[in-house]
Amino acid sequence: ETGVTQSPTHLIKTRGQQVTLRCSSQSGHNTVSWYQQALGQGPQFIFQYYREEENGRGNFPPRFSGLQFPNYSSELNVNALELDDSALYLCASSPRGRGDGYEQYFGPGTRLTVT
Amino acid sequence: AQSVTQLGSHVSVSEGALVLLRCNYSSSVPPYLFWYVQYPNQGLQLLLKYTSAATLVKGINGFEAEFKKSETSFHLTKPSAHMSDAAEYFCAVRGMDSSYKLIFGSGTRLLVRP
Repeated sequence: ETGVTQSPTHLIKTRGQQVTLRCSSQSGHNTVSWYQQALGQGPQFIFQYYREEENGRGNFPPRFSGLQFPNYSSELNVNALELDDSALYLCASSPRGRGDGYEQYFGPGTRLTVT
Repeated sequence: AQSVTQLGSHVSVSEGALVLLRCNYSSSVPPYLFWYVQYPNQGLQLLLKYTSAATLVKGINGFEAEFKKSETSFHLTKPSAHMSDAAEYFCAVRGMDSSYKLIFGSGTRLLVRP
């Protein structure tokens, strides 16, 4: 069984640029959630995708957007990058609707640095 | 609103000593609670979860946690620390909306002295 994978591992961007991060969910998982973890802090929920639609959003501006594809993989897009966007971005997948308490399985993350 | 508070941003123990990491939660409904561990430059790994069954929950790597409703606590313990336990530990509560998002505490870094 393949776990959650994310790409790229590391990324350096300049302020004002746009970035796309990618996530492949664990086999059989139909829901993907994205979290931002700033240095020294706990992860913060950005949004979740279920059946290719956004299903819940945290306190993040509209320049954070996402997609989910029919194979349940997902993208996180961030426009007009700001220095404060520098963080570890974590993707988590879960088998929604299969009665296990919606346990979330995390990928290794993408480390984004904005200069 | 639901929240989690982790007391102590850093905890240092000697190898072989008891590990106690504290977590208090706030929730208007019976909570689902989780402990995750994060090793350097890695994602989060689930240690254990409380889903309203037994109040004493056993997890991986010898960790366990006890749900105490009267104290709104879900502290993580391990009888004997190992060097490999050095990591960041996060307590989380499951949100109530349809996303069931995880709401994390700020984390506790566990240092294990030889």
